[in-house]
Amino acid sequence: EVQLVESGGGLVKPGGSLRLSCAASGFTFSSYTMNWVRQAPGKGLEWVSSITSSSSYTYYADSLKGRFTISRDNAKNSLHLQVNNLRAEDTAVYYCARIVPRGIFDFWGQGTLVTVSS
Amino acid sequence: EIVMTQSPATLSVSPGERATLSCRASQSVSGNLAWYQQKPGQAPRLLMYGASIRATGVPARFSGSGSGTEFTLTISSLQSEDFALYYCQQYDNWPPATFGQGTRLEIK
Repeated sequence: EVQLVESGGGLVKPGGSLRLSCAASGFTFSSYTMNWVRQAPGKGLEWVSSITSSSSYTYYADSLKGRFTISRDNAKNSLHLQVNNLRAEDTAVYYCARIVPRGIFDFWGQGTLVTVSS
Repeated sequence: EIVMTQSPATLSVSPGERATLSCRASQSVSGNLAWYQQKPGQAPRLLMYGASIRATGVPARFSGSGSGTEFTLTISSLQSEDFALYYCQQYDNWPPATFGQGTRLEIK
């Protein structure tokens, strides 16, 4: 069974940093492009970042470039998102999601909540 | 970036009736369109891809159609568990993946 379990969210002050993690199991993690998608409270889904299976390529939403860094550790079946210089508008549930070829998000974790507030 | 627009924002339908949700792309995405269902407090779940292909385990009452810029998700006979949020997403020009703003399907 495919499982994606996020962790690392919490309450952080504006300008602070967090490192989000996603533990994957039930599939060959190293074969898949992985992603972060976020959802602000009461809002829709916003793609954040993607990383290819061997970390050769990373992609970011234009509005987030420079503050967010995606990475993965295939030996540990884990995905990470380093988020820096956080702003109130970054408050959201951050989902880890697997993508199959062409860009279809076929499995999602339950998400981790990031709250940016003073 | 391709912009996805869903309509209506909220759809009120009685159980047992048919629901039709629309999604429009700002430019052609061919058939590279997916639909997701999200229930309160849960992660999104893949429903359809390729505009009309049901994901594993999705009941046959769900169907998708369309190509280019106009797409439709139809639920033929609404069950109580179908009342949820629905999002469309294009993957023709990925990255970025872009989602519609969602349609809330509520009980009438």
